Amino acid sequence: DTGVSQDPRHKITKRGQNVTFRCDPISEHNRLYWYRQTLGQGPEFLTYFQNEAQLEKSRLLSDRFSAERPKGSFSTLEIQRTEQGDSAMYLCASSLGLAGGRDEQFFGPGTRLTVL
Amino acid sequence: EDKVVQSPLSLVVHEGDTVTLNCSYEVTNFRSLLWYKQEKKAPTFLFMLTSSGIEKKSGRLSSILDKKELFSILNITATQTGDSAVYLCADSGAGSYQLTFGKGTKLSVIP
Repeated sequence: DTGVSQDPRHKITKRGQNVTFRCDPISEHNRLYWYRQTLGQGPEFLTYFQNEAQLEKSRLLSDRFSAERPKGSFSTLEIQRTEQGDSAMYLCASSLGLAGGRDEQFFGPGTRLTVL
Repeated sequence: EDKVVQSPLSLVVHEGDTVTLNCSYEVTNFRSLLWYKQEKKAPTFLFMLTSSGIEKKSGRLSSILDKKELFSILNITATQTGDSAVYLCADSGAGSYQLTFGKGTKLSVIP
């Protein structure tokens, strides 16, 4: 399977614990994105990387959230001191990095986080 | 502020019916509009539209964009139960590669 992969697929944690998610993009894709989706809503943008550079962050990304893409390949999203409001599906997407707007984003299966 | 509004929010049809899903958007310096299908998993890419009036087609699905009136429609003809899903619309503007999504239209196709 050469699509976007995410690990783990499900995570249950207690409030106050730290969690880390991993995303492996499609191999030739330069851009990598993180989104969060709650029930009944569309995905909300969190952040994106062009290779290893984090170029844009949403106001949704509080200080408890940090994302990295150290070698420009896989990425991790860490949430520190989780809160119940962090419960959501965390989606990763990747794209080739084409200029001019014709740059489709392809999504991974997501990590469903439940904070008890 | 970037805003995407989809209608209806939910729709129930019988197999064989034709449906039209609507998406209106507001974004600074429009770049593209995208449609995704989401079943109980990640969104699956359907179409990307950047120019007005050019219809994109894939089998029974088609989509068109009106940049003057700031909306797009997604048509599905001869619906099948496998078309049951949430259909998401998203836009992007120049200067940013983030997508802004609407809440989606939940389509249920009953036999």
